[in-house]
Amino acid sequence: EVQLLESGGNLVQPGGSLRVSCAASGFTFSSYAMSWVRQAPGKGLEWVSTISTSGDSTYYADSVKGRFTISRDNSKDTLYLQMNSLRAEDTAVYYCTKGHPSILTYFDYWGQGTLVTVSS
Amino acid sequence: DIVMTQSPDSLAVSLGERVTINCKSSQSVLYSSDNKNYLAWYQQKPGQPPKLLIYWASTRESGVPDRFSGGGSGTDFTLAITSLQAEDVAVYYCHQYYTPRHTFGQGTKLEIK
Repeated sequence: EVQLLESGGNLVQPGGSLRVSCAASGFTFSSYAMSWVRQAPGKGLEWVSTISTSGDSTYYADSVKGRFTISRDNSKDTLYLQMNSLRAEDTAVYYCTKGHPSILTYFDYWGQGTLVTVSS
Repeated sequence: DIVMTQSPDSLAVSLGERVTINCKSSQSVLYSSDNKNYLAWYQQKPGQPPKLLIYWASTRESGVPDRFSGGGSGTDFTLAITSLQAEDVAVYYCHQYYTPRHTFGQGTKLEIK
């Protein structure tokens, strides 16, 4: 059974940093592109970032480019999102998603999400 | 980036009635090399993560009831529910994966009349 378990969400001050993680199980993690999608309170879904199977290729939404870094450790079956220079508008539930090997993929599995709150 | 626009933003339908939700992309998401539309639909219920319903615009995900169907090609797509059930109350999102910079529609909230 595919499982995606996010962790690391917390309350952080504006300008601060936070790293969220996603522990994957139930599939061959290294064979699949992975992505982060976020949802601000009461709002819709926003794609944040995607990483290729090897980690060589990464893509970001304009709203986070230059501040967020996606990475993966295929030896630990874990996906990461390093978030720097956080802003109030980054407050959201961050979902880890799995697709197919290609980065051009729909998201067939979603984690339960981890809440990041940016506030003073 | 490709902009995805859904309509309507919300709708209320009676149980047993048909529902149609529209999604329009700002450019075609039909990939000529494989003749597939890179378009998916998701259902999100309160307090839950989104659930994949439809991919490649019209392929139903395993386990999804057959009252859900997807259609369209190029830039115009629809999600239809043939006979609305109480458990279908949710927000529905379309998603294009034609480019590495994915985008979602703004969502359509479906309620019971």
